[in-house]
Amino acid sequence: AQKVTQAQTEISVVEKEDVTLDCVYETRDTTYYLFWYKQPPSGELVFLIRRNSFDEQNEISGRYSWNFQKSTSSFNFTITASQVVDSAVYFCALSEIYNQGGKLIFGQGTELSVKP
Amino acid sequence: DGGITQSPKYLFRKEGQNVTLSCEQNLNHDAMYWYRQDPGQGLRLIYYSQIVNDFQKGDIAEGYSVSREKKESFPLTVTSAQKNPTAFYLCASSIESTEAFFGQGTRLTVV
Repeated sequence: AQKVTQAQTEISVVEKEDVTLDCVYETRDTTYYLFWYKQPPSGELVFLIRRNSFDEQNEISGRYSWNFQKSTSSFNFTITASQVVDSAVYFCALSEIYNQGGKLIFGQGTELSVKP
Repeated sequence: DGGITQSPKYLFRKEGQNVTLSCEQNLNHDAMYWYRQDPGQGLRLIYYSQIVNDFQKGDIAEGYSVSREKKESFPLTVTSAQKNPTAFYLCASSIESTEAFFGQGTRLTVV
């Protein structure tokens, strides 16, 4: 079965704290993509990152970083020095079929609240 | 600007009515998707289409119908057979294996 689990339903931090959002996935495929999306209060999902199953290098983009570990089937997302604008719901997602980037299996989402 | 436009933003449906949610994209993407989001849950796939005049059921297609007569448009009809239609509906599009781009969503409420 294909599944994405985000065990943290809600996280609350104070501005400038670092925060890590966990994502664990299950798939039988050897070729797949993993994604993170941000959903601000406006509702639209904003793409953050896509990682293919062959690339386990960690990635950093500004205050955002991602740790992909196939051995533990995890794709965790860290925000360094969080800001109030980071408050949103964050979704981890899995795409099993190589050529259908929008056919996604989503986790339940983690609602991040960053307080000033 | 290129993007995905969903309308209306808010929609109210009476019991037994069919309603249609609009989704238009000008990104020249071949594939389009409809997702449903319920509180505390992730998004679930309703229908998707990889090419004009063709579409496939997703995980929760019962009570919904779609059409894909034009590349730019992928409307979703919520029929009276959908017993619990109150939810947030998101449309997306993509090219092959690239990431999907999402619209701003339609919030449907049964009154």
